[in-house]
Amino acid sequence: AQKVTQAQTEISVVEKEDVTLDCVYETRDTTYYLFWYKQPPSGELVFLIRRNSFDEQNEISGRYSWNFQKSTSSFNFTITASQVVDSAVYFCALSEAGGTASKLTFGTGTRLQVTL
Amino acid sequence: GAGVSQSPRYKVAKRGQDVALRCDPISGHVSLFWYQQALGQGPEFLTYFQNEAQLDKSGLPSDRFFAERPEGSVSTLKIQRTQQEDSAVYLCASSFLAGYTGELFFGEGSRLTVL
Repeated sequence: AQKVTQAQTEISVVEKEDVTLDCVYETRDTTYYLFWYKQPPSGELVFLIRRNSFDEQNEISGRYSWNFQKSTSSFNFTITASQVVDSAVYFCALSEAGGTASKLTFGTGTRLQVTL
Repeated sequence: GAGVSQSPRYKVAKRGQDVALRCDPISGHVSLFWYQQALGQGPEFLTYFQNEAQLDKSGLPSDRFFAERPEGSVSTLKIQRTQQEDSAVYLCASSFLAGYTGELFFGEGSRLTVL
């Protein structure tokens, strides 16, 4: 069975600090996809990134970066120079390649609070 | 529309009542998903449609839950004889392609409270 663990329930930082959100996953599939979604107070999940299991290159998009390490089954997300608008709940998710594609297994989320 | 639209945004039901939640996906999106999000938890998969075909309903928690998408666009999630444990946010998501393991577009959800 697939499982995603986000051990950090809540993180509070002051604006401009860097923050890393941890994600550890379990799967028996050799081909899978990993995602991060942001859920602001409005409730709508917003896609941030997808990474497939064969691509371990780290990715940077503006202030966001992702570190995928298959050896430790981790897919961590770093926000550099955090801003108040980054305050939200962030979910890591895992999808199997076969079966129902895009059937996501989500972690329990990490609530990020960025204050001035 | 521009995004996935869900209605009602909020629904309060007395235990035992039936409820119907509507999802209007992005026009042209083939795939449609329903997820259930309990308070403080991540979303959990309920069911998946490819056009009008319900290809996976393995996540539906009981036979009180029923979903349909008769014309391959708008979908309705129906819960019969609601129970308190059904209280949650019900999220609908769509994607352009069938079997596309990529970005899902989510609606803002329908928050159901069962008294």
